[in-house]
Amino acid sequence: SQQGEEDPQALSIQEGENATMNCSYKTSINNLQWYRQNSGRGLVHLILIRSNEREKHSGRLRVTLDTSKKSSSLLITASRAADTASYFCATDARDSNYQLIWGAGTKLIIKP
Amino acid sequence: DAGVIQSPRHEVTEMGQEVTLRCKPISGHNSLFWYRQTMMRGLELLIYFNNNVPIDDSGMPEDRFSAKMPNASFSTLKIQPSEPRDSAVYFCASSLRGGASHSPLHFGNGTRLTVT
Repeated sequence: SQQGEEDPQALSIQEGENATMNCSYKTSINNLQWYRQNSGRGLVHLILIRSNEREKHSGRLRVTLDTSKKSSSLLITASRAADTASYFCATDARDSNYQLIWGAGTKLIIKP
Repeated sequence: DAGVIQSPRHEVTEMGQEVTLRCKPISGHNSLFWYRQTMMRGLELLIYFNNNVPIDDSGMPEDRFSAKMPNASFSTLKIQPSEPRDSAVYFCASSLRGGASHSPLHFGNGTRLTVT
């Protein structure tokens, strides 16, 4: 079943601008992951944030997690054309060490 | 690191035919997942193997679907007989240990299956 819900469903911005995508989930989690999927390719892991962490950085990526609101955001700074892709959040369930609950994804388009 | 390798990349077949999808996980990874992705249903976990043993196949839609992992470096997903509603992109993913909640998934580039 789908737990994560990303918004917006689609986002189109100019190259150089920042892109923010949000993910909400329903149940308690151990961690939350973000993945990127380029057209016609498999998903690529971007970052994992644990339930006891509030913010994490990786290069131009910044992920925040608010467990009280059951939400996370992914910020891509200084966007590039190569960032055009779909972005998915995935959460695990506390009673499973292998099942991931996937959102429907945000389609990000960076206009040159 | 060659990544997860899937074959074929594209498969077009007629309804009723048998389809076999193949996957070579990353060497040293002990967890393997088969996922299906469609616009309507998103990503669905079909089956999960740990150390070559099927742990959870509750996502396999019907008896027409079967999966095997005869050794640590190879897995197959078979659909027999195929139906048009099986049309989707099928992904294989592997992870280093335990399960996806502990270590990231590494996905192959998928097999796009079209059943006419």
